[in-house]
Amino acid sequence: NAGVMQNPRHLVRRRGQEARLRCSPMKGHSHVYWYRQLPEEGLKFMVYLQKENIIDESGMPKERFSAEFPKEGPSILRIQQVVRGDSAAYFCASSPRTGKTEAFFGQGTRLTVV
Amino acid sequence: QKEVEQNSGPLSVPEGAIASLNCTYSDRGSQSFFWYRQYSGKSPELIMSIYSNGDKEDGRFTAQLNKASQYVSLLIRDSQPSDSATYLCAVNHPPNSGGYQKVTFGTGTKLQVIP
Repeated sequence: NAGVMQNPRHLVRRRGQEARLRCSPMKGHSHVYWYRQLPEEGLKFMVYLQKENIIDESGMPKERFSAEFPKEGPSILRIQQVVRGDSAAYFCASSPRTGKTEAFFGQGTRLTVV
Repeated sequence: QKEVEQNSGPLSVPEGAIASLNCTYSDRGSQSFFWYRQYSGKSPELIMSIYSNGDKEDGRFTAQLNKASQYVSLLIRDSQPSDSATYLCAVNHPPNSGGYQKVTFGTGTKLQVIP
């Protein structure tokens, strides 16, 4: 997973605040995936993006959550008006293209809502 | 039916034994299959990928794919305590109308290798 950078590694937010999670993919990778993982649970797909394009957001809650991957800069997962249930580890993975290519993960951002 | 199913475990094996981890998937058109290892509190790490029916070996790891049965497995020979982790099976869906393929993960199988 070397090369996929996520920040911050840990984020604490009070209920009602906004959380912004950043993901810089590996060099040469133009596809980004975001996953959420609750303690002792599996990875849950949230959104799949290519630069300037949302490919699949079927796993993203309809309200409060949004994601983008601009032409320049990192991908951003934004959670507005956070609630305690948003507390989880959020992982980003990147791949150079769709299809057979493997995806590599960043270290994750652990969000705690207090 | 879940898109990717795995037994959550824990699967306990003695040190030196073969650990066998199994995964089934629902979408018959899936083309690419991956195994990730995740240590507690860490991010998933890719350990194997397989695209064709049959076996693929890499060191102590062997991935097996049977597309007709929609089944993929991971064998770990000479299991070590350091192999104790959660193993995630991941499957690439067939392309959507735009040609893009989403990866779906199973919930993982927890492996415990007993010294």
